[in-house]
Amino acid sequence: SQQGEEDPQALSIQEGENATMNCSYKTSINNLQWYRQNSGRGLVHLILIRSNEREKHSGRLRVTLDTSKKSSSLLITASRAADTASYFCATGQYRDDKIIFGKGTRLHILP
Amino acid sequence: EAQVTQNPRYLITVTGKKLTVTCSQNMNHEYMSWYRQDPGLGLRQIYYSMNVEVTDKGDVPEGYKVSRKEKRNFPLILESPSPNQTSLYFCASSPGGGGSSYNEQFFGPGTRLTVL
Repeated sequence: SQQGEEDPQALSIQEGENATMNCSYKTSINNLQWYRQNSGRGLVHLILIRSNEREKHSGRLRVTLDTSKKSSSLLITASRAADTASYFCATGQYRDDKIIFGKGTRLHILP
Repeated sequence: EAQVTQNPRYLITVTGKKLTVTCSQNMNHEYMSWYRQDPGLGLRQIYYSMNVEVTDKGDVPEGYKVSRKEKRNFPLILESPSPNQTSLYFCASSPGGGGSSYNEQFFGPGTRLTVL
């Protein structure tokens, strides 16, 4: 069963603009993580936010978590060409140690 | 260098011919997991292991087997592959403690499998 659903599925923005991606999920979670994948390669962990946290920053990344709405957002500020990739949210479940990924958002940064 | 390795990276096989994809990590991680990635479906967890001799089903375990005899290795076995198992497979590992879903995962480079 797919838990995380990213929105939008694809996003194209100009270099220097901010990019925002959203993730919604269905069940109670321990944490939510965001990953980046470049063109069919392995995923790289970006940031983890725990269920008792509301916002977290890492460099140009800002993640928010709203457990009442079961949603999270990833903001990339001042985008660069190197940010072109697919971004996935992944949720860690309360009831077991499964990790469920969403289908991803494809981000394309235009020069 | 801390890493997760998978072998082979590419494999073309025929229906019914048993195969094993190996996964090894050198970070002493307790949690290991296998995923498959298909277009439009994202990553789906096949099996995971909290520690040696402990394995559990993910969301799509049918047609797959795993074993965890050593902490560093977590092979994925397809006893009788079928064309619907054609996919990109990723192994990942994560430090243990507090439930491994609390921790970031480190991914291998992927194995692209084609079953004819």
